[in-house]
Amino acid sequence: DTAVSQTPKYLVTQMGNDKSIKCEQNLGHDTMYWYKQDSKKFLKIMFSYNNKELIINETVPNRFSPKSPDKAHLNLHINSLELGDSAVYFCASSPTGTGSYEQYFGPGTRLTVT
Amino acid sequence: AQSVAQPEDQVNVAEGNPLTVKCTYSVSGNPYLFWYVQYPNRGLQFLLKYITGDNLVKGSYGFEAEFNKSQTSFHLKKPSALVSDSALYFCAVSQPMDPGRRALTFGSGTRLQVQP
Repeated sequence: DTAVSQTPKYLVTQMGNDKSIKCEQNLGHDTMYWYKQDSKKFLKIMFSYNNKELIINETVPNRFSPKSPDKAHLNLHINSLELGDSAVYFCASSPTGTGSYEQYFGPGTRLTVT
Repeated sequence: AQSVAQPEDQVNVAEGNPLTVKCTYSVSGNPYLFWYVQYPNRGLQFLLKYITGDNLVKGSYGFEAEFNKSQTSFHLKKPSALVSDSALYFCAVSQPMDPGRRALTFGSGTRLQVQP
């Protein structure tokens, strides 16, 4: 059983294109996140959603637009892709209640912009 | 603002020897501390966490970590390293905040290489 899944796993596209990455979790968690891992392996939060509501929106270009149709899904749409967007994007989820604060990560989507 | 430092880019250890991967943190309040491991081309796997209570926490695959408030450290340890432990290890911190605000701040990662 896959807890947090992402599609696609690999995405190769040209500059200027628009692309989407999808994330689904079957853990019943209320909170979902997008993280970006750059070529040097640095991981940084991009967005978080709680019960479909946007909570955290870090200094991310507005070409990036997350969307949460329901608590189990958090998608990431990227407009006008740039070379610097090349990275691995990780989705994660966590429960809301006290006691369990760890986040569960998806396998990542490796985006390559040429 | 919160931050995490992992001072070693790489740690080399012989199989069977004890290993330590260092982590220090900076937060304005009480920290929630985590260790994650990333194998090549894989996502991050949760190893262990410190939220409150006993300073020594045990996690998956025989790993443990000790929370030291005075030194603001949370070093990862294992008594006997395995070749299969070779991977990239991340320390992370968050804080007791409202749901959705508990985003993790990660260290830069430490590559652990265990030699046979």
